[in-house]
Amino acid sequence: QVHLVESGGGLVKPGGSLRLSCVASGFTFSDHYMNWIRQAPGKGLEWVSYISGGGNATLYADSLRGRFAISRDNAKNSLYLQMNSLSVEDTAVYYCARRGLGMRAFDMWGQGTRVTVSS
Amino acid sequence: EIVLTQSPGTLSLSPGESATLSCRASQSVSGNFLAWYQQKPGQAPRLLIYAAFRRATGIPDRFSGSGSGTDFSLTISRLEPEDFAVYYCQQYRTSVTFGGGTQVEIK
Repeated sequence: QVHLVESGGGLVKPGGSLRLSCVASGFTFSDHYMNWIRQAPGKGLEWVSYISGGGNATLYADSLRGRFAISRDNAKNSLYLQMNSLSVEDTAVYYCARRGLGMRAFDMWGQGTRVTVSS
Repeated sequence: EIVLTQSPGTLSLSPGESATLSCRASQSVSGNFLAWYQQKPGQAPRLLIYAAFRRATGIPDRFSGSGSGTDFSLTISRLEPEDFAVYYCQQYRTSVTFGGGTQVEIK
């Protein structure tokens, strides 16, 4: 069964850092582009970043201003998001999502991990 | 950046009625690189439609997508109780952006 499970969320002070993880199972992880998407409380979806299957191509939302870094370890079926210089505006549920093969839409999502930035 | 504007913000309908949701792009989404997602409270989004009109695996045929260029629509015919949710469009032609969402609520 195909699963994506995020972890690493929590409470962090403004200016702090956090590393999110997403572990995949049930499919060939290295075949797929992977994405991070976030959703602030009561708000819509905001795409954050993607990484190619081999890890050599990445792209980020302009709004992040270089504070986040996406990476993956295909041997561990794991996706990561390193988040630095966090601000209250980064408070959100963070989802990892798989880009489907033969499509570029996101056909599988994790349940999300909550990040709260507060003093 | 391609900005997606969804309308209406809220749609109040009864079960059995049909819903038509609109998604307008600030520039052409050539290649029809547009998808629709459904999200229920406390859950992750679920892919409904990709490439503007192709249904994702397991999606009932009462969900249909149409449109091209800058104007796209999602139609839900014969609303079932489980269809009341928030719907987002997404373009993946240039980077990735989502629309602001349309909430379909029970009238």
